Formats: sequence, structure tokens, C-alpha cells
Amino acid sequence: DAKTTQPNSMESNEEEPVHLPCNHSTISGTDYIHWYRQLPSQGPEYVIHGLTSNVNNRMASLAIAEDRKSSTLILHRATLRDAAVYYCILRPPIIQGAQKLVFGQGTRLTINP
Amino acid sequence: GAVVSQHPSRVICKSGTSVKIECRSLDFQATTMFWYRQFPKQSLMLMATSNEGSKATYEQGVEKDKFLINHASLTLSTLTVTSAHPEDSSFYICSAGEADRPSYEQYFGPGTRLTVT
Repeated sequence: DAKTTQPNSMESNEEEPVHLPCNHSTISGTDYIHWYRQLPSQGPEYVIHGLTSNVNNRMASLAIAEDRKSSTLILHRATLRDAAVYYCILRPPIIQGAQKLVFGQGTRLTINP
Repeated sequence: GAVVSQHPSRVICKSGTSVKIECRSLDFQATTMFWYRQFPKQSLMLMATSNEGSKATYEQGVEKDKFLINHASLTLSTLTVTSAHPEDSSFYICSAGEADRPSYEQYFGPGTRLTVT
């Protein structure tokens, strides 16, 4: 499994944008970049995913470098409820059904009021 | 999004006893479910892949006779921790993807916190 590298922790203030980086220099040409987050004492939840182009959804934006060796999850306006551990995960294309996710250590995001 | 439930959410058992944890997909069918374990301050570690109607596939280092997995239907997988010991105390989380289409999103249960005394 291709490896991802994330900072152990980051801190930001409420209502400010947050940029969470992820390095994945060994990514293959067909790997998707997925982001999940885990709130305290809960199971992870899907945030966003992408392949080559930048992606936006109601939760966040994903900016993918042109060489795909890094990506950045962007929370446009952080709230206290965004405090969580954010995981960047590489995933091969799925043919059918589900596929296992391999979690790294993730980034623990703290939001200050 | 789709919902995955787990039961119980929290369980305390005595050393040597067995504990069963249920994972259900509430509004979709899941051919495959996954079981993870998470120790405090650590990341999720995949334990096994549960396939409906067939034997589970265990990750290296996970004892299949200790962690029994049954996936009897498209909406239910169970994990039984047999002869539990204090070192099995952990947060157990299941996840599932939808059976009838390539599923880019995996749905996670809320987790079960097991404490073995």
C-alpha cells in the first residue's frame, strides 16, 4: 500500500480556513486520494476524495498537486465541530463492492474558540 | 448517507468470557464489511475483511480463532472476541460498502468500546 505522510497535529481558530497537508510521493497513477475524519469516540466519516482535479463538496475542498505527490484538504471556515483526526488515504480504483482502507496516523486538528 | 450501526456501544466483561459485537447496515446491502480495532491515541488497525456467505480474511497477526467473524446476511456481520483478556480491551469499529455498485465511500459504525476486567 502506498504511504501517506501527515503532520501529527495542527491547530487553528474558529471561523478561519484550515489547510491540512498530505504527502504521497509513491502514489500510483490510478490511486484515488481519500480523506476521512474521526471525531472523538466515534467511527470515521468520509470527507472527500479525488483523482487528479480539485474537488469541492459541502464539507471541504481537496486540492491535488499537479504531480499528485501531495494534496491539501481545505476546511473553508472551521468550527469547533471540525475538531477531529483527519486521515489521508490512498485507494486503488474499485471494481465492485467495497475495499479495505489502510489508516495512517492522521492529523489531530484542534480548533480554538 | 448510508447508516451502519453497532451493538452494543459499550460492554464490560470478565476475563475468560466471550463477547459478541454486531455490525448492521441499516439501509443498504453490504457484501463486504471490515472490522477495525483502535487502541487509545492510536490509529485504526484493520483486523479482518468479512464477506457475506464465505470465510473472513484476517490481516497478518490477527488470531482467527480468537476473533470469530460471521457474515450471515447482506446486512449483518458479527465479531466474537473469545476468551477475552484485558489486552483485548479496545475500541472496535466496523465499516461497510454498498453491494450493488462500486462504492467510493465507506460507511463506518459508531464503534464498540470493550473493557475486559
